[in-house]
Amino acid sequence: NAGVTQTPKFRILKIGQSMTLQCTQDMNHNYMYWYRQDPGMGLKLIYYSVGAGITDKGEVPNGYNVSRSTTEDFPLRLELAAPSQTSVYFCASSGDFTAEAFFGQGTRLTVV
Amino acid sequence: AQSVAQPEDQVNVAEGNPLTVKCTYSVSGNPYLFWYVQYPNRGLQFLLKYITGDNLVKGSYGFEAEFNKSQTSFHLKKPSALVSDSALYFCAVRGTGGGNKLTFGTGTQLKVEL
Repeated sequence: NAGVTQTPKFRILKIGQSMTLQCTQDMNHNYMYWYRQDPGMGLKLIYYSVGAGITDKGEVPNGYNVSRSTTEDFPLRLELAAPSQTSVYFCASSGDFTAEAFFGQGTRLTVV
Repeated sequence: AQSVAQPEDQVNVAEGNPLTVKCTYSVSGNPYLFWYVQYPNRGLQFLLKYITGDNLVKGSYGFEAEFNKSQTSFHLKKPSALVSDSALYFCAVRGTGGGNKLTFGTGTQLKVEL
């Protein structure tokens, strides 16, 4: 089972560049999430989606955008990358009948 | 707003000894509570959850957690620690708001030594 797949695993961006972090899940989950993890800070919710076509802001949405055109995919877009966006990004999904969320392996992003 | 506190940044324990990783929470309504583990350079792996029912829940790799409503706590425990249990542990809560969103604690680094 693939579960939640994130690409790329690592990326270095220059300040001002943009990129899209890809996330796809094969569990037919309606709920999908993007978190960022910073040392000593735990995980902070960036954006989430409750189904295709529906997205909403989480705790730290500034500088990011998302879309959810299909149930499977939930890409995260960074426009005008800044050093403050250096972090590890995790995508997760959960279903209507599963309380727990399933996480991808993460994308380590460095903005220089 | 929901929140989770993990008061210890690091817990050290000798192999074979019992371990406890502490977690307290704040949420409106009945909580859904979770423990996740993260090994270096890996994603989060689900360990166990409390939804309702028995206050002692058992999970993967011999871990268990005790839900205490009066103390709003959900401490993770294991009777006999292994060196391979060394990892970063996160407690999380899901409240009754829309989106099934999880709020995480800041994590506790568990170090099990020989």
